[in-house]
Amino acid sequence: GAGVSQSPSNKVTEKGKDVELRCDPISGHTALYWYRQRLGQGLEFLIYFQGNSAPDKSGLPSDRFSAERTGESVSTLTIQRTQQEDSAVYLCASSLQLAGLPDTQYFGPGTRLTVL
Amino acid sequence: KNEVEQSPQNLTAQEGEFITINCSYSVGISALHWLQQHPGGGIVSLFMLSSGKKKHGRLIATINIQEKHSSLHITASHPRDSAVYICAVRLDRGSEKLVFGKGTKLTVNP
Repeated sequence: GAGVSQSPSNKVTEKGKDVELRCDPISGHTALYWYRQRLGQGLEFLIYFQGNSAPDKSGLPSDRFSAERTGESVSTLTIQRTQQEDSAVYLCASSLQLAGLPDTQYFGPGTRLTVL
Repeated sequence: KNEVEQSPQNLTAQEGEFITINCSYSVGISALHWLQQHPGGGIVSLFMLSSGKKKHGRLIATINIQEKHSSLHITASHPRDSAVYICAVRLDRGSEKLVFGKGTKLTVNP
């Protein structure tokens, strides 16, 4: 089966524009995570979805960031009014997460966002 | 102080050497992950553990819950092991948030 896919692979935008990043998790995986990695920095947690539960948004850096997930499928991360400090690689991961127990996460290739 | 500390930050080894990367954390956790990030940026999950020891091929991961410490060992290292190795912990506060170390950049020379 296919792994986690993300699109686009690269996105260049102008400051102030909105962007949408897409993640297709592995089929059947109930948990989905978004992370950010700025150049030369470590990974940062952004948001977590688990089934139909309310998402854990505790990592979103500002109200310009939002994410949606339809059921247990595709997720979209939206950044409004982009700023140069939003430039980063945005990574998505999914896991099976049975019974709410910790589980191996499978990462997508990431979307490299550059805000000019 | 970061909640997850890795050492060393950079490591250079000769092919065949035994490698150890360390991870210490200061919070209660429910699980610890070791990840490998290739030079191209792709991330692969190597291990997830909450106690004891796991082995996969030439890789071994151990965790000591009491000491809040984990190690990743690579036996008979090879140039293809060159990557950034990242330790991440899942907090035990009912959140799914992973807290990441800054990574250890490993270079294995032939």
